[in-house]
Amino acid sequence: QSALTQPASVSGSPGQSITISCTGTSSDVGGYNYVSWYQQHPGKAPKLMIYEVSNRPSGVSNRFSGSKSGNTASLTISGLQAEDEADYYCSSYTSSSTLSAVFGGGTQLTVL
Amino acid sequence: QVQLVQSGSELKKPGASVKVSCKASGYTFTSYAMNWVRQAPGQGLEWMGWINTNTGNPTYAQGFTGRFVFSLDTSVSTAYLQISSLKAEDTAVYYCARDLSPVLRYLGYWGQGTLVTVSS
Repeated sequence: QSALTQPASVSGSPGQSITISCTGTSSDVGGYNYVSWYQQHPGKAPKLMIYEVSNRPSGVSNRFSGSKSGNTASLTISGLQAEDEADYYCSSYTSSSTLSAVFGGGTQLTVL
Repeated sequence: QVQLVQSGSELKKPGASVKVSCKASGYTFTSYAMNWVRQAPGQGLEWMGWINTNTGNPTYAQGFTGRFVFSLDTSVSTAYLQISSLKAEDTAVYYCARDLSPVLRYLGYWGQGTLVTVSS
């Protein structure tokens, strides 16, 4: 069982927007602005898409945005494209054990 | 450009040991921490811990103490993950991942992954 809870799957049509949630506790998501999101295509290494809740690394499309409210963080992808079809993982710093980070269980995004 | 190149797939018997390498290039190796992440077949990501590439001090996440060892050879800009007393449940892809920056502790650059299969 993962420390952070994500929906198993979401779907959307090209051009639409989707949001993936990531729910934790006050010991991780709710207590710190250290949330990140990773995209993973099948058979490939993950790629950092969002860090510090809402910042995008250089080269990541501005169609990807992040936010947080209380113990829940969210990743929104606007203008869905076929290439966005992938697994998405959230991650957060956690104070529940020494200097550790935890991942969500992952969400499979299907572009219809 | 930043590159992390990992060693190839391994097939090991239960009880054996394995050492996975992660060779870095394109940046100053000792300026950025290196992390290790595990992904079992069809499963999600697990952060295993990290190693301070300046001091060599490792930090292990819960569940990755005892049989797991992070090490470095700074002379060849390479990080290592050694797993001893292998079990079937250690079968997974293991990734090394570099921090995004010296102060931003996010997994900004990833190796291609190394599949370790444990089977008799």
